[in-house]
Amino acid sequence: ETGVTQSPTHLIKTRGQQVTLRCSSQSGHNTVSWYQQALGQGPQFIFQYYREEENGRGNFPPRFSGLQFPNYSSELNVNALELDDSALYLCASSFSGGRIDTQYFGPGTRLTVL
Amino acid sequence: GENVGLHLPTLSVQEGDNSIINCAYSNSASDYFIWYKQESGKGPQFIIDIRSNMDKRQGQRVTVLLNKTVKHLSLQIAATQPGDSAVYFCAEENTGNQFYFGTGTSLTVIP
Repeated sequence: ETGVTQSPTHLIKTRGQQVTLRCSSQSGHNTVSWYQQALGQGPQFIFQYYREEENGRGNFPPRFSGLQFPNYSSELNVNALELDDSALYLCASSFSGGRIDTQYFGPGTRLTVL
Repeated sequence: GENVGLHLPTLSVQEGDNSIINCAYSNSASDYFIWYKQESGKGPQFIIDIRSNMDKRQGQRVTVLLNKTVKHLSLQIAATQPGDSAVYFCAEENTGNQFYFGTGTSLTVIP
């Protein structure tokens, strides 16, 4: 186990609703990255948070937003949910100390949008 | 990243045989690569990594080879076991510590 935890494990929402997913990073890590994984696909980078600020963003619309807290935990918020948002949402934590470092993943949150 | 297609590439091997999983990456400036294993219903699990200043790295039963000339990465698993059955992803680092993943390769180990 990596020590990265995510909640909830599963979630069902309807179109137009909003959702908040949570991630606790591994002890000693200061960076959290969020990924979306559709069925049968590899994870796609959404964004990364470092020192409570967004530190890079993939090709996702502004209705995907996030936060990082002083204890390095993080939230992913998605507004105006669409059917295509149904996916496994993964967070990965790492330590950014001047060079690129390994990202360790949590178990994910399975989001279903009806 | 890996060739992205509509179908997940698959590989079936006999228990005890060696497995080789291949990956083509796109960014010649990528400095860091990771292989992950993902079992059904779980998050990706780190297996082994390699930086661009190396062409080979070995772990326990696994070896990663990096060929920067042709932008190719491979994962070799020795003496494959049923517990190795999973989807394997290579991830290449992009600018800003972002990682790009391919579609993955599904490995099935036949007992």
